[in-house]
Amino acid sequence: DTAVSQTPKYLVTQMGNDKSIKCEQNLGHDTMYWYKQDSKKFLKIMFSYNNKELIINETVPNRFSPKSPDKAHLNLHINSLELGDSAVYFCASSLSAGTDTQYFGPGTRLTVL
Amino acid sequence: AQTVTQSQPEMSVQEAETVTLSCTYDTSESDYYLFWYKQPPSRQMILVIRQEAYKQQNATENRFSVNFQKAAKSFSLKISDSQLGDAAMYFCAYRRLETSGSRLTFGEGTQLTVNP
Repeated sequence: DTAVSQTPKYLVTQMGNDKSIKCEQNLGHDTMYWYKQDSKKFLKIMFSYNNKELIINETVPNRFSPKSPDKAHLNLHINSLELGDSAVYFCASSLSAGTDTQYFGPGTRLTVL
Repeated sequence: AQTVTQSQPEMSVQEAETVTLSCTYDTSESDYYLFWYKQPPSRQMILVIRQEAYKQQNATENRFSVNFQKAAKSFSLKISDSQLGDAAMYFCAYRRLETSGSRLTFGEGTQLTVNP
């Protein structure tokens, strides 16, 4: 029944490691997003894909690489993790890239030690 | 660039009372969307209410309503008959009306405490 799901919900890892977060939506939406919520709870867009095509790419270190194998999935791979990458990462989806409401996943809390 | 400001980092309300959370935004666009999202301790981001800028009528969803003042660029959320389950961080968000690349710009959030 879950509309937007993310795995894992918690991720604890060492500096320098590479990790991935997966996102899936079963809403039939065309557009998916990654947002980052920092320690002060501030949320900011990182990436967006529409029908597997990258349409938003904010100023994010190139250690972060999104991948969309199909329009129901948007994964986030992070290379060479740094302490500052510790945050909650939210996946979201919307019916289209334009005016539709975005629905969020449960978030993945990433802790880099 | 659009910005969203929530000037109240924390608010509290007594159960069954009414509380209003403030939000202002800055944009040069005439058409856009505004949202309030709720984030309880579970961390899930939950849509509370949505307002289209071209609509003069204020949006309402049960106990939640907004006061949308387009000229003043103000979008406050009123919660009536507050319940313990309303305790959460509330985020105001703005989105441009565009056909592609439509991102949400969030405010800093207001932490709402509901006292029994």
